Amino acid sequence: DGGITQSPKYLFRKEGQNVTLSCEQNLNHDAMYWYRQDPGQGLRLIYYSQIVNDFQKGDIAEGYSVSREKKESFPLTVTSAQKNPTAFYLCASSSYAGNTEAFFGQGTRLTVV
Amino acid sequence: DAKTTQPTSMDCAEGRAANLPCNHSTISGNEYVYWYRQIHSQGPQYIIHGLKNNETNEMASLIITEDRKSSTLILPHATLRDTAVYYCIVRAADNSGGGADGLTFGKGTHLIIQP
Repeated sequence: DGGITQSPKYLFRKEGQNVTLSCEQNLNHDAMYWYRQDPGQGLRLIYYSQIVNDFQKGDIAEGYSVSREKKESFPLTVTSAQKNPTAFYLCASSSYAGNTEAFFGQGTRLTVV
Repeated sequence: DAKTTQPTSMDCAEGRAANLPCNHSTISGNEYVYWYRQIHSQGPQYIIHGLKNNETNEMASLIITEDRKSSTLILPHATLRDTAVYYCIVRAADNSGGGADGLTFGKGTHLIIQP
């Protein structure tokens, strides 16, 4: 089955710890994205990558880091520098051309206590 | 990407057509109109997109006005499972800063289908 997979679905961490969220796709998409969603809000772009070994900051990149060593993988690390990390995190991918739809994973709900 | 304006919420009776409006008065000539929906605690799901002609697929129809400043998503026979937040997004077709650099989501319209 082709698709985009995020794991885990729920994640709990203690304050001050770094945590890495996984995102894998087998759609052969060049572009991948990370979004954050807070209750009752829309999605805000954290980082995106248009090609392997390249990525760009989105609107709210502070306190986050990413890597894109493989086409199919785009992990997001939530660092201790992120002041309010508890949120719903969504990963997406799309073909490089703009005129295509993006496919989203089912999200990871991170709770920091 | 151009900004969009949508109503915060709408109700629709089950079995009736749900018509969701979206204003995008600053849309550029190379920007497409996309619609996604998000059921609670799930990832957004693509519905449909178009440039200037009306589009239809198995999920919905998209009506774009001639001046392209607004559009309407139509769910022809709404069911309870169509209750979700619907996002209207405009996105450039090429990669000149609007193609693959992320979709810009607003707060969308919370559509509630009433039994």
